[in-house]
Amino acid sequence: QKEVEQNSGPLSVPEGAIASLNCTYSDRGSQSFFWYRQYSGKSPELIMFIYSNGDKEDGRFTAQLNKASQYVSLLIRDSQPSDSATYLCAVNAAAGNKLTFGGGTRVLVKP
Amino acid sequence: DAEITQSPRHKITETGRQVTLACHQTWNHNNMFWYRQDLGHGLRLIHYSYGVQDTNKGEVSDGYSVSRSNTEDLPLTLESAASSQTSVYFCASSDASGTDTQYFGPGTRLTVL
Repeated sequence: QKEVEQNSGPLSVPEGAIASLNCTYSDRGSQSFFWYRQYSGKSPELIMFIYSNGDKEDGRFTAQLNKASQYVSLLIRDSQPSDSATYLCAVNAAAGNKLTFGGGTRVLVKP
Repeated sequence: DAEITQSPRHKITETGRQVTLACHQTWNHNNMFWYRQDLGHGLRLIHYSYGVQDTNKGEVSDGYSVSRSNTEDLPLTLESAASSQTSVYFCASSDASGTDTQYFGPGTRLTVL
């Protein structure tokens, strides 16, 4: 079983709709959770991080964390064609500063 | 502005050759990481360092080595390149006293023929 799992997609959403991405993790002691966006041929760039259960909003992005169920999600509101990318979920293990990445979810926003 | 750079951006080499990929950061971060990214596998950790003279193996370290002689640089060496090491390599760094957020370099695309 992979430590961090994501649906590989592609997740196809119409422009203006909400894109919902999910990520599950196996290490119950994980402390911090990150969402990165990666455009084709580019390096990952941080969208946001979350530490506490509940929701965290940043512009059109909302991260949701549920430690009891071991999942973290990302909502993209008012999706734009420029949001078309692969979204990587990353989890910090209980010890150390290493991140474990999921395989990523490819999102396609259609005009 | 602080940044993290990698060189070369593209490299073609032959099986059996030694190859070194450079990573340089001006964030003054203690933590540095090397990943490889392949279709179907996502980002996999090769080696990492928490400071000068500190190096640690990641999940796919066989055939790779790193050394950390200063804060800014963590070069990755492929001792004897193999076709299975054809990949995109990313370097990242993070602040030991910060949020664990890792910032990535632009990547190096390595082809081993």
